[in-house]
Amino acid sequence: GAGVSQTPSNKVTEKGKYVELRCDPISGHTALYWYRQSLGQGPEFLIYFQGTGAADDSGLPNDRFFAVRPEGSVSTLKIQRTERGDSAVYLCASSLVEGGVTEAFFGQGTRLTVV
Amino acid sequence: GENVEQHPSTLSVQEGDSAVIKCTYSDSASNYFPWYKQELGKRPQLIIDIRSNVGEKKDQRIAVTLNKTAKHFSLHITETQPEDSAVYFCAASETSYDKVIFGPGTSLSVIP
Repeated sequence: GAGVSQTPSNKVTEKGKYVELRCDPISGHTALYWYRQSLGQGPEFLIYFQGTGAADDSGLPNDRFFAVRPEGSVSTLKIQRTERGDSAVYLCASSLVEGGVTEAFFGQGTRLTVV
Repeated sequence: GENVEQHPSTLSVQEGDSAVIKCTYSDSASNYFPWYKQELGKRPQLIIDIRSNVGEKKDQRIAVTLNKTAKHFSLHITETQPEDSAVYFCAASETSYDKVIFGPGTSLSVIP
């Protein structure tokens, strides 16, 4: 498909476990963003990649959260020692920075539940 | 950092009436203001955006206004239809490709 793809769509894990969430951006999009959305709230910024490097990771809540984008395309958000408070929908978005005019397209999200 | 506030949190209108959602932002460096619509269980989708060099922008039944001095911006939907029912998020960013900071959302219900 041509859209942003996120896998898995749902993930249930036990408290203390490690999880990885994957994002496949739209082909050719240079910018990739991770957001977290809790029920009834707006998306909360986590981290933004331009190419392979993290241009801004100021939204990562603590050192349990880490994200990579080794080849400038697919990105993985990694959460260590999960806590119940990490339960949320994790959204990925990508955009093509061209002439300063761009739209960020969101994926459907991964619903993470920590039990 | 940037902080975006939005009101009302919920809004009900009769079909055919207008709906207005208002937002404020804190960072004077912000220059890009997108609006997203999120239907239940779906991804946020961009519906319109405005940049700081423009005071108003229209796209069919949707219009956005921006007052950079007051750090206010608003979304106006005219002739509302039931399919406009969704959660609407305003957002702010320094540029269109920087991190976007979202408001808490407005749940709009259009009553047939």
